[in-house]
Amino acid sequence: QVTLRESGPALVKPTQTLTLTCSISGFSISSSGMSVSWVRQPPGRAFEWLALIDWDGDKYYSPSLGTRLTISRDTSKTQVGLTLTNADPEDTATYFCARNGLGSFIDLWGQGTLVTVSP
Amino acid sequence: DIQMTQSPSYVSASIGDRVTITCRASEGISSYLGWYQQKPGKAPQLLIYSAFTLQSGVPSRFSGSGSGTDFTLTISSLQAEDFATYFCLQADTFPLTFGGGTKVEIK
Repeated sequence: QVTLRESGPALVKPTQTLTLTCSISGFSISSSGMSVSWVRQPPGRAFEWLALIDWDGDKYYSPSLGTRLTISRDTSKTQVGLTLTNADPEDTATYFCARNGLGSFIDLWGQGTLVTVSP
Repeated sequence: DIQMTQSPSYVSASIGDRVTITCRASEGISSYLGWYQQKPGKAPQLLIYSAFTLQSGVPSRFSGSGSGTDFTLTISSLQAEDFATYFCLQADTFPLTFGGGTKVEIK
């Protein structure tokens, strides 16, 4: 069964670094054509794509957040991480990891994890 | 960034109704458009990709059309399990961008 599961802190203070992990099972991110994205959805607002790492290790970032974001994967290719520096209350959102298994199309999503940025 | 304008934001419909949702891209994206369904507290589900290709396991009452800048998701006969929020995603160019969503509610 193919699954993605996000984990990370539920609460982060402003200016801190938010670190999230996506645990993957049922597929390999090193398989040609496979990529993993991070996407977030602030409460009551639209989804926002944040970053993608592909099977070759190439990385793509949202220009609006690019310098604050780092996407990574572990050597076993079973986890994808995301760090967001200098957290702000505007970063409060449900964060999803998702598989881009059909070209750049997202074909599978994790359940998401709600992160609140508050003092 | 490519802006995706989705309309309407809300649809009030009855079971059996035909429902149409549109997404307009701020520039041409060929057929790199996907449609998703999300129910409260659940992960989004892919319905259609490449504008009109039905994802495996998705009922045939869902269909997609369009290319370039204008796209449509149609639910031919709304079922009880279809009351949800729908949104589009353009996968033509980074950054990937989403439509604002359409909530389909029971009339």
